[in-house]
Amino acid sequence: DGGITQSPKYLFRKEGQNVTLSCEQNLNHDAMYWYRQDPGQGLRLIYYSQIVNDFQKGDIAEGYSVSREKKESFPLTVTSAQKNPTAFYLCASSLIQGAIYNEQFFGPGTRLTVL
Amino acid sequence: AQRVTQPEKLLSVFKGAPVELKCNYSYSGSPELFWYVQYSRQRLQLLLRHISRESIKGFTADLNKGETSFHLKKPFAQEEDSAMYYCALGGGNKLVFGAGTILRVKS
Repeated sequence: DGGITQSPKYLFRKEGQNVTLSCEQNLNHDAMYWYRQDPGQGLRLIYYSQIVNDFQKGDIAEGYSVSREKKESFPLTVTSAQKNPTAFYLCASSLIQGAIYNEQFFGPGTRLTVL
Repeated sequence: AQRVTQPEKLLSVFKGAPVELKCNYSYSGSPELFWYVQYSRQRLQLLLRHISRESIKGFTADLNKGETSFHLKKPFAQEEDSAMYYCALGGGNKLVFGAGTILRVKS
């Protein structure tokens, strides 16, 4: 089954711990994105990357970190500095074609709960 | 700065009734607007984009630059249209999403 995958589906974390969410795609997409989805707030961009070894902060990057060592992978680390990490996290990917905004393909999501 | 407003958290209609999901945006540049949909237990996916000027699953959306709106419309709602709908604006290197509207179609 091709596309974009996220793991784990559910993740529980104790306060003070860092956790890493996995995102992998086999669509040969250049760009990858991490969003946080909260009820009543829609999707908010955490980080995005348009090329390997480069990434940019989104609107709510504080308390999160990412890496892009491979084109296929864009893991997100939720650090202990994130004050309210309990949320549903979505990863997405897209092609880059000049100034055109291409369709973003989304993963199934990871639900993180801080205990 | 880019901003997308979806004023309704929930829109409930009867099957066969017309549907209009509202979306207003704020952006100083030339906007690219999208509607994404998330059905129950499915992934978020693109429904339509304004540059395509398509009708997808009976839905259409027209970009009105004067009113800075991109409302999603369907003349006759079906039960399978029940889902969460997000309006999104492309600007800079990213998409900005609205808060979303839950559409419930009652039989």
